Amino acid sequence: DTEVTQTPKHLVMGMTNKKSLKCEQHMGHRAMYWYKQKAKKPPELMFVYSYEKLSINESVPSRFSPECPNSSLLNLHLHALQPEDSALYLCASSHPGQGLTEAFFGQGTRLTVV
Amino acid sequence: QKEVEQDPGPLSVPEGAIVSLNCTYSNSAFQYFMWYRQYSRKGPELLMYTYSSGNKEDGRFTAQVDKSSKYISLFIRDSQPSDSATYLCAMSAQAGTALIFGKGTTLSVSS
Repeated sequence: DTEVTQTPKHLVMGMTNKKSLKCEQHMGHRAMYWYKQKAKKPPELMFVYSYEKLSINESVPSRFSPECPNSSLLNLHLHALQPEDSALYLCASSHPGQGLTEAFFGQGTRLTVV
Repeated sequence: QKEVEQDPGPLSVPEGAIVSLNCTYSNSAFQYFMWYRQYSRKGPELLMYTYSSGNKEDGRFTAQVDKSSKYISLFIRDSQPSDSATYLCAMSAQAGTALIFGKGTTLSVSS
């Protein structure tokens, strides 16, 4: 099983709304990532969790708040977003140690901020 | 100079052609190299993974890494219309750290 599951697949939210994106994997990976991808652009790293601890925050605005409640789950809490935050949000996971490090991606949540 | 350079294309080939996709990079610390295929409005799908230099083959796909030249390639043999997608190279210096992506090359295979 090399599956990373993201929910919801699509999300439309207003600028005053609070919503959460969810990501789940059961591959035993202890590194999990959030990426943001705009149309016709490569994914851009937002956050990295390693062993459930935030290890990288790529200067992401505080209106994006990540959470890693356990080794299988990763959330991204959204609040007071702007229309320019509309994008495909991708979750990925991999092994953080030496050796195997393929990163597997979910299908993404397509977010539209209105 | 960007860390990872990849020609965005588009690249158009007829069915059955051999396709060569390439990336160059500047960071000599990169050790892990991946190729992803991404269909429109979908998440990236891992195609090939290589650690350090060398070749790796999987079916119609061959990945090559030349660390001395800081150059990686993906070859697709007997290309099919279903191979039409954007191909992203990605690399990292350490396991479990951030992947650095190329811009992606858009490939179109016509029947």
